[in-house]
Amino acid sequence: SQQGEEDPQALSIQEGENATMNCSYKTSINNLQWYRQNSGRGLVHLILIRSNEREKHSGRLRVTLDTSKKSSSLLITASRAADTASYFCATDEKAAGNKLTFGGGTRVLVKP
Amino acid sequence: DVKVTQSSRYLVKRTGEKVFLECVQDMDHENMFWYRQDPGLGLRLIYFSYDVKMKEKGDIPEGYSVSREKKERFSLILESASTNQTSMYLCASSLGREETQYFGPGTRLLVL
Repeated sequence: SQQGEEDPQALSIQEGENATMNCSYKTSINNLQWYRQNSGRGLVHLILIRSNEREKHSGRLRVTLDTSKKSSSLLITASRAADTASYFCATDEKAAGNKLTFGGGTRVLVKP
Repeated sequence: DVKVTQSSRYLVKRTGEKVFLECVQDMDHENMFWYRQDPGLGLRLIYFSYDVKMKEKGDIPEGYSVSREKKERFSLILESASTNQTSMYLCASSLGREETQYFGPGTRLLVL
């Protein structure tokens, strides 16, 4: 299975609600990154959190990292219709020559 | 802003054709990457390059080759296209090995 696996695979919420998605991984990492992809487009970087950090914020985004559980979560607060996209976590594995390994993504639909 | 461009958004080729996908970045990044993205499989790394004329195999290099003659340009080559290479191809670049990757808009390739 993939290094980074997101949960849930899909999420549907109303505008204004919060959206939370999780990412689990298997091996030691240098950092973990979250990306967003709008339909049919390239990925856009959201946040990078290093292995010695526990929480990071960027605007309405909050990312946590628990290295003991090998998991991360991405929280989008006060969601907007424009947040509709797929969200991917990517892990930079120490043992893999610093390549990024992407999970399968969480598809988020924010209904107006 | 970092800009990563890909030569085509959509491409239709026939089985057995030689296909070139071009990627150019304008930020003097050392590292460049080629991924393919398929439904349910997420992003998978095909090849990457950490320097001019240098290349390393990713997770699924079979059926592909790459060329990096200049720092800003990384080409993906399908020597003899096959239908199972129908996919979305994404190019990315990064400054350092552990840093954020910047993605191009993607090329959707259909092999008939």
